Amino acid sequence: DTGVSQDPRHKITKRGQNVTFRCDPISEHNRLYWYRQTLGQGPEFLTYFQNEAQLEKSRLLSDRFSAERPKGSFSTLEIQRTEQGDSAMYLCASSLSVGGETQYFGPGTRLLVL
Amino acid sequence: QQQVKQSPQSLIVQKGGISIINCAYENTAFDYFPWYQQFPGKGPALLIAIRPDVSEKKEGRFTISFNKSAKQFSLHIMDSQPGDSATYFCAASMLWMDSSYKLIFGSGTRLLVRP
Repeated sequence: DTGVSQDPRHKITKRGQNVTFRCDPISEHNRLYWYRQTLGQGPEFLTYFQNEAQLEKSRLLSDRFSAERPKGSFSTLEIQRTEQGDSAMYLCASSLSVGGETQYFGPGTRLLVL
Repeated sequence: QQQVKQSPQSLIVQKGGISIINCAYENTAFDYFPWYQQFPGKGPALLIAIRPDVSEKKEGRFTISFNKSAKQFSLHIMDSQPGDSATYFCAASMLWMDSSYKLIFGSGTRLLVRP
């Protein structure tokens, strides 16, 4: 039984570069969430997919951010023209359609923008 | 109204003691209240969760107490162990209009259990 996996685990990039993160949810979980966690704070919701449809985006998700979930399986989160304020842990979580309130988190991708 | 307020920010407890972390919410539409445990460099792991139709839920050494009228809930860790040293987050959720169950997290409590 594999949990939620995320890749890469760490990413260091220079300001202005583009980065892409991948999340593989637990198989058969059709709900997928992205959250962002800054140091010393709780995770904050970014966006939500039900199968391949992106149904909700937080105001935190500026137009430099884009997320996809092709075919309702893995998901990618891309940040274009990174800024130092984007430095954070990006967490992915998944849940079933039934009992969907129980979310299981991946290990996260820690991004550092220099 | 969407906030979840968590206290204390940090907590030091002796081994064998009881750790208590408190959370308060405003939105009475919330109907799911989980607690997550997070170790440094790891993602949050679900510990225990409760719905407002019960006042208490216990799983092993972890107990959630829920006070619906006060809009407060708390996590009690009995017989705290050094391995419990981690950051704990409360959260709240409901079925939102977009059909998600997005979580609203508290700010976290860093627990240190001394040997």
